Amino acid sequence: ILNVEQSPQSLHVQEGDSTNFTCSFPSSNFYALHWYRWETAKSPEALFVMTLNGDEKKKGRISATLNTKEGYSYLYIKGSQPEDSATYLCAFMGSARQLTFGSGTQLTVLP
Amino acid sequence: DAGVIQSPRHEVTEMGQEVTLRCKPISGHDYLFWYRQTMMRGLELLIYFNNNVPIDDSGMPEDRFSAKMPNASFSTLKIQPSEPRDSAVYFCASSFDTSGTDTQYFGPGTRLTVL
Repeated sequence: ILNVEQSPQSLHVQEGDSTNFTCSFPSSNFYALHWYRWETAKSPEALFVMTLNGDEKKKGRISATLNTKEGYSYLYIKGSQPEDSATYLCAFMGSARQLTFGSGTQLTVLP
Repeated sequence: DAGVIQSPRHEVTEMGQEVTLRCKPISGHDYLFWYRQTMMRGLELLIYFNNNVPIDDSGMPEDRFSAKMPNASFSTLKIQPSEPRDSAVYFCASSFDTSGTDTQYFGPGTRLTVL
């Protein structure tokens, strides 16, 4: 059983604050790391797919970094807005080419 | 494209009844995945298909669950007989490939309640 852990489990920030959270995953048999954004009552929506150690991806105010050697990825949100409120899921893909999801970080941005 | 389509969106049934969930992947995608989301276990992969062929069904909980993909544009997940512990949201997702670099596109999910 693969261990994909996300922290913190939940997070409340004020509008305008920058924030970040962590995904840790097995450092062996790494193939890719996916980040998804999941709003309540909707389906998960892909943010990034990262494959190379040292990769950095950016989409608007959201960015992510990847360290495959130590098995972690950070997701950053700059200047959080209420519409950023969602659960952010990471998913590890190993040599079996299946996604194993973390339990997510639930972000609430307070106006 | 309309995205991944799932039906029904909500299903309420009684214990012992047969339940069939349906999925239409995005046209041109050759991988299809069935996931189950529960509070206790989060989002977990049940089974996935490549070119309509089941590749890995190790996540299917037990023999009461079965999945088929008769053609490239349709898949079903069947539970027979259903039990209250099967209550969950079932997601279908599709992707163009599973090289690791391609994202999976999720459908809206089917919320199943077994009474």
